[in-house]
Amino acid sequence: DTEVTQTPKHLVMGMTNKKSLKCEQHMGHRAMYWYKQKAKKPPELMFVYSYEKLSINESVPSRFSPECPNSSLLNLHLHALQPEDSALYLCASSGGGRLAANTGELFFGEGSRLTVL
Amino acid sequence: AQSVSQHNHHVILSEAASLELGCNYSYGGTVNLFWYVQYPGQHLQLLLKYFSGDPLVKGIKGFEAEFIKSKFSFNLRKPSVQWSDTAEYFCAVNAAGASGTYKYIFGTGTRLKVLA
Repeated sequence: DTEVTQTPKHLVMGMTNKKSLKCEQHMGHRAMYWYKQKAKKPPELMFVYSYEKLSINESVPSRFSPECPNSSLLNLHLHALQPEDSALYLCASSGGGRLAANTGELFFGEGSRLTVL
Repeated sequence: AQSVSQHNHHVILSEAASLELGCNYSYGGTVNLFWYVQYPGQHLQLLLKYFSGDPLVKGIKGFEAEFIKSKFSFNLRKPSVQWSDTAEYFCAVNAAGASGTYKYIFGTGTRLKVLA
């Protein structure tokens, strides 16, 4: 079991739909991440939030919109996606205690498997 | 630009064989180094990490890794693999970019299959 919880585990959506992926952690971590992972590929960084502020956007298309409502929650809003956006979307967190927000090991959720039709 | 290279993309071993997976990174500054493992159908989890100090670090399940600064390497080793070690292994580097913000960069992964 992981201490980073992602919902839903599976999502199927059409290209005109609007949906959201949610991530929650209660480890007191101050950095949270969205990664995209295609089959047999490494995770690719999308966004980093540090102390609830967006600190890194890896040139992700605007059809992906992140949101960090508070230090425990991270959302990824999806709109007008393309079939090539189908992938496993991973949330991770890091940085607790005396560690700086975005150093230290990453704690990953189990991911949300997205299929865009 | 920072990068992480894993030279072995697929490795097949018999049980009890020794394992060494290579990882090289390109970054001149201070780095934190990690190996993550992804078992089939499971989430990514940490095997071991290096921040500073003894360059030989031990992780879970009998894995260890050696940081060789002069070679920019952080190779993963296990003296005797088990069937349950079948998984994908990712090397990762955490380093500060030009803006001072730390980023994690993952290697391309090594898919290990252990034959019983």
